Amino acid sequence: RKEVEQDPGPFNVPEGATVAFNCTYSNSASQSFFWYRQDCRKEPKLLMSVYSSGNEDGRFTAQLNRASQYISLLIRDSKLSDSATYLCAVNGGKLIFGQGTELSVKP
Amino acid sequence: NAGVTQTPKFQVLKTGQSMTLQCAQDMNHEYMSWYRQDPGMGLRLIHYSVGAGITDQGEVPNGYNVSRSTTEDFPLRLLSAAPSQTSVYFCASSYVGPNEKLFFGSGTQLSVL
Repeated sequence: RKEVEQDPGPFNVPEGATVAFNCTYSNSASQSFFWYRQDCRKEPKLLMSVYSSGNEDGRFTAQLNRASQYISLLIRDSKLSDSATYLCAVNGGKLIFGQGTELSVKP
Repeated sequence: NAGVTQTPKFQVLKTGQSMTLQCAQDMNHEYMSWYRQDPGMGLRLIHYSVGAGITDQGEVPNGYNVSRSTTEDFPLRLLSAAPSQTSVYFCASSYVGPNEKLFFGSGTQLSVL
């Protein structure tokens, strides 16, 4: 079993939809958590860090549940430009990524 | 601003050949790492380093060697390439610290025939 696991994709949603991704991790000593975005097999880029209190950046909201060992990413009012693969990453001394979830936003 | 530079961008090897993927960063980052990405598998950590002279294994280290003689460079060596090592390889670096973001190179597409 991987240390970090994500919802399988792909997610196909219409423009304007709200979509949520979940990610579970097994290392309870993990210290920090992230969501990365990857376009067309290019290098991943940081979308947002995930803090214990939850955090929001425009249409994106990230949450952390340490007790249940999962993080989530909510995208509201999805745009065509949100189409990409979303990867969660967990740092317990080394950064481990989930498998990634592909999102396709359709007109 | 060069950031993280990976070379080559593309490489084709025959089974059994050896090669080194190069990675260099100019941001004075202590932490450097190598990932491979295969369809449906996300990014899997091969090896990482928290500073010059220090390396450690990640999730999938077999078949790969690394060394970290300087802060700037973190080469990945394939001693005897196998078709199972066909993948996209990413090098990444960051400052050491739990909340530091990774900076990625642009990747190397490796095919082993």
